[in-house]
Amino acid sequence: DAGITQSPRHKVTETGTPVTLRCHQTENHRYMYWYRQDPGHGLRLIHYSYGVKDTDKGEVSDGYSVSRSKTEDFLLTLESATSSQTSVYFCAIRTEGGTGELFFGEGSRLTVL
Amino acid sequence: GIQVEQSPPDLILQEGANSTLRCNFSDSVNNLQWFHQNPWGQLINLFYIPSGTKQNGRLSATTVATERYSLLYISSSQTTDSGVYFCAVLNTGGFKTIFGAGTRLFVKA
Repeated sequence: DAGITQSPRHKVTETGTPVTLRCHQTENHRYMYWYRQDPGHGLRLIHYSYGVKDTDKGEVSDGYSVSRSKTEDFLLTLESATSSQTSVYFCAIRTEGGTGELFFGEGSRLTVL
Repeated sequence: GIQVEQSPPDLILQEGANSTLRCNFSDSVNNLQWFHQNPWGQLINLFYIPSGTKQNGRLSATTVATERYSLLYISSSQTTDSGVYFCAVLNTGGFKTIFGAGTRLFVKA
């Protein structure tokens, strides 16, 4: 257990509404990631963070923004949700030191109607 | 960017059979991991293996970094092995971990 909590775990919303997903970690890891998982596409990187207020884009960042004001929290925001953003969203942390392993949260299922 | 390809995309096994899953990557990597996504959607770490061979029970993995591939071996498969197996790599000098599309495994009782 890498101490990663995602919230909400399930959300249904309507097109055009803003949505924020939260990832909280308890072990002060520097690197945090947001992925989305869709059938036929595996896991694709949306955004990642390498420290407080340090973020960068991944493969599929359009329509998403992120913020990291504290080490423990990494927020993913959909400013105006679209049906194409219906997906399962996973947060991950990467340990440092010798291994640099990625560990995932439980996932957040988002449905945009 | 780095490309990660997994094969086969789908695999059906009879319980007790052995299998080999392959991961090819297009550039040098800092690390490589294998994950199992169970039918409930949880992503479980199997191996961190940038090079060499590791074993954990019925599972083992080998990465040949110079030839840019990794293999995951499952022996004496069980129905609980069903799910999707992902290979993921962190490219040299980068912060991003990139995933392959996965191998979907179904083990029949």
